[in-house]
Amino acid sequence: DADVTQTPRNRITKTGKRIMLECSQTKGHDRMYWYRQDPGLGLRLIYYSFDVKDINKGEISDGYSVSRQAQAKFSLSLESAIPNQTALYFCATSDPQVAKNIQYFGAGTRLSVL
Amino acid sequence: DAKTTQPNSMESNEEEPVHLPCNHSTISGTDYIHWYRQLPSQGPEYVIHGLTSNVNNRMASLAIAEDRKSSTLILHRATLRDAAVYYCILTDWGGSEKLVFGKGTKLTVNP
Repeated sequence: DADVTQTPRNRITKTGKRIMLECSQTKGHDRMYWYRQDPGLGLRLIYYSFDVKDINKGEISDGYSVSRQAQAKFSLSLESAIPNQTALYFCATSDPQVAKNIQYFGAGTRLSVL
Repeated sequence: DAKTTQPNSMESNEEEPVHLPCNHSTISGTDYIHWYRQLPSQGPEYVIHGLTSNVNNRMASLAIAEDRKSSTLILHRATLRDAAVYYCILTDWGGSEKLVFGKGTKLTVNP
């Protein structure tokens, strides 16, 4: 089983719909991250959380919200999806006490907003 | 965040060494140099990191210039499975410790 699991792997939705992308991890890491990737580009940070009570905005947080339900779970929500949120979304985890905060990524969720 | 510059693409032949360059002329004293790669249809995966000295692990070697303004990721014998986008990233351990991804270098490995 993967250490960082993202669900769903693929999602098609319509403009204006609320959707949630979920991430769970079995690595026991405190830090979790959400990124988005557009075609041909690198990843951009949406939100990150350093522990259950900590939520921080990344560089492109507008239109997104997150919830850290537990150490192992970090969800990303699009309250009212729009077409330019069509992208590949990645969750990642890290542990600053181990190996210089190396991040471990999930397999991604491909989201299409029609 | 300090920026890095990488070639958009490179090609190699299978079983030959590959040297992937990265320029980071504005690197600060607390920046570590990280390399990640992203295989097709997968999330990024960590490859290697270093601060000042050259580093080796089972995946690759990292050669860091003496002035730290550039570095080179070395794959000693490229395989078809090494075809990926390689990202060179600076991380500030005194600050936000976030990864800032550029466009990376797309490596094509020819059989």
